[in-house]
Amino acid sequence: ELKVEQNPLFLSMQEGKNYTIYCNYSTTSDRLYWYRQDPGKSLESLFVLLSNGAVKQEGRLMASLDTKARLSTLHITAAVHDLSATYFCAVLTQGGSEKLVFGKGMKLTVNP
Amino acid sequence: SAVISQKPSRDICQRGTSLTIQCQVDSQVTMMFWYRQQPGQSLTLIATANQGSEATYESGFVIDKFPISRPNLTFSTLTVSNMSPEDSSIYLCSVAGGQETQYFGPGTRLLVL
Repeated sequence: ELKVEQNPLFLSMQEGKNYTIYCNYSTTSDRLYWYRQDPGKSLESLFVLLSNGAVKQEGRLMASLDTKARLSTLHITAAVHDLSATYFCAVLTQGGSEKLVFGKGMKLTVNP
Repeated sequence: SAVISQKPSRDICQRGTSLTIQCQVDSQVTMMFWYRQQPGQSLTLIATANQGSEATYESGFVIDKFPISRPNLTFSTLTVSNMSPEDSSIYLCSVAGGQETQYFGPGTRLLVL
């Protein structure tokens, strides 16, 4: 059974600082998603990583995927308050019926 | 990208009653998914709904409690039956967008008293 773990689950950081958050998963997959959720809102798609070594960047966020290590990172550069949200990674199962398995989410607070 | 709408957006219900949630997509999709997000928690897949076939339920979820309809390629309903306070959650429908991503609806916020 595929398990997805995020680390850390809570992060409080100052504006302007950098930080990397991690998403590990337990079985083979070549598709990983990052989502953002604001309080009381639905999920907003940030990145879809489709292959080993994939790197995508959008603004102050950069995501990467290492399928051999079963690890994805989400790097935050020069954080701003607007990045405060909960970030989920999700991994697509392979074989049989494909479905997304979500991590527990990381609640990010960026302080002025 | 797919645009997904859900009705109702929120509801407060009495225990023992049932609520049907509607999900409408602006394009034809093969697979639709229903998720539950309990307060402060992550998302858990309830079932996958394919048009023209019975929904496939995940472990811990049963058809009698969460019956699903999928009458066509743009619409699905999820019913939460015989509700208890433990059913208070956000219910989200989702569709796959090919290799792009999986899109989520705005969610239905349910409070059971």
